[in-house]
Amino acid sequence: QKEVEQNSGPLSVPEGAIASLNCTYSDRGSQSFFWYRQYSGKSPELIMFIYSNGDKEDGRFTAQLNKASQYVSLLIRDSQPSDSATYLCAVNRPSAGNNRKLIWGLGTSLAVNP
Amino acid sequence: NAGVTQTPKFRILKIGQSMTLQCTQDMNHNYMYWYRQDPGMGLKLIYYSVGAGITDKGEVPNGYNVSRSTTEDFPLRLELAAPSQTSVYFCASSSSLQGDSYEQYFGPGTRLTVT
Repeated sequence: QKEVEQNSGPLSVPEGAIASLNCTYSDRGSQSFFWYRQYSGKSPELIMFIYSNGDKEDGRFTAQLNKASQYVSLLIRDSQPSDSATYLCAVNRPSAGNNRKLIWGLGTSLAVNP
Repeated sequence: NAGVTQTPKFRILKIGQSMTLQCTQDMNHNYMYWYRQDPGMGLKLIYYSVGAGITDKGEVPNGYNVSRSTTEDFPLRLELAAPSQTSVYFCASSSSLQGDSYEQYFGPGTRLTVT
């Protein structure tokens, strides 16, 4: 089992729809969860982070965390063509102690069709 | 703040050549990281540093070296370049303030081709 798993996609949604991106992780000790967006040929850019169970909203983006199920998701409301990118899920590595290393998923490719 | 900067943006090396990828951050972050990203393979940690003078290996350190003489700079050295080192290299940094989260901030990357 991979430490952080994401569906590779591509996930294709029409403009204006809700895009739902999912991520599961294996280490129950993980406490910090991140979503990054990466446009083709560019570097990863932090969108959101979440630490507590439940939902966290920022504009059109909502991160959802369920530690019991070891599951974190990202919802993008009113999807726009400019949201087309690869979305990376990252989770802190508890065994890293104070080294602040993250475990990265391979990313989900999202295509928003006009 | 410029954030995390990397130079060069692109480089072509011949097999056996050496080069240094530069990384600088102006956020006073103690933690810095070097990743490589290959198509479909995700981000792989090469080396990281928890502060000036302290570095350690990540998942894929072979063929690379690092140094951290200042808080701001974290150069990555490639010795005897090989085609397997063709990749996109990202430098990232993270704050060490107590209570801060673990988020990492990335530079724009260096696209390296070894032929």
